[in-house]
Amino acid sequence: SQTIHQWPATLVQPVGSPLSLECTVEGTSNPNLYWYRQAAGRGLQLLFYSVGIGQISSEVPQNLSASRPQDRQFILSSKKLLLSDSGFYLCAWSGGTSGFTDTQYFGPGTRLTVL
Amino acid sequence: EDQVTQSPEALRLQEGESSSLNCSYTVSGLRGLFWYRQDPGKGPEFLFTLYSAGEEKEKERLKATLTKKESFLHITAPKPEDSATYLCAVLPYGGATNKLIFGTGTLLAVQP
Repeated sequence: SQTIHQWPATLVQPVGSPLSLECTVEGTSNPNLYWYRQAAGRGLQLLFYSVGIGQISSEVPQNLSASRPQDRQFILSSKKLLLSDSGFYLCAWSGGTSGFTDTQYFGPGTRLTVL
Repeated sequence: EDQVTQSPEALRLQEGESSSLNCSYTVSGLRGLFWYRQDPGKGPEFLFTLYSAGEEKEKERLKATLTKKESFLHITAPKPEDSATYLCAVLPYGGATNKLIFGTGTLLAVQP
């Protein structure tokens, strides 16, 4: 069965500091990978989407970036955090060896607080 | 613009009191509609995918239905462990990404 991991689970960072959040998927190959942000009282917002190694699509222009250095690894980064970057960051996957790309499965999330 | 609206925002039920959650959507073309359950501080857990009007899916005390404009999540004889936020999302046709459009959710509290 497939498993998705995210770390860290929680993070408190000062404004202007860098950020690196990691997501890995087990049990499948060549999945589609996604980064979402969930702000309080708002729906999940898609930030980045990847169909393969080195292939990243950005949905929202901002000071965040994403990379996919390996097939089942997805990283969310920032060089300088803003207060508005606080939120709950979720990684998700779909497709892979099942070939069915519609349903997205989410990881446990990272709670980021920028002070 | 593709949009998803969920109602009510919050719902409090007594154990055993059945009810329904609503998800209204506006989308140019619907590829699929998804229901997720989210517990506090955790990632959404997949429940159902619906593709066409008239389709129904069931899982334990939950049943999801779909029309051309909305979806309902029916909860029959709920238990306290059904307390969670229920999220609805649509996947439109077209576009370069599998971008799910989410509603803001319904917070369900089931009291014993």
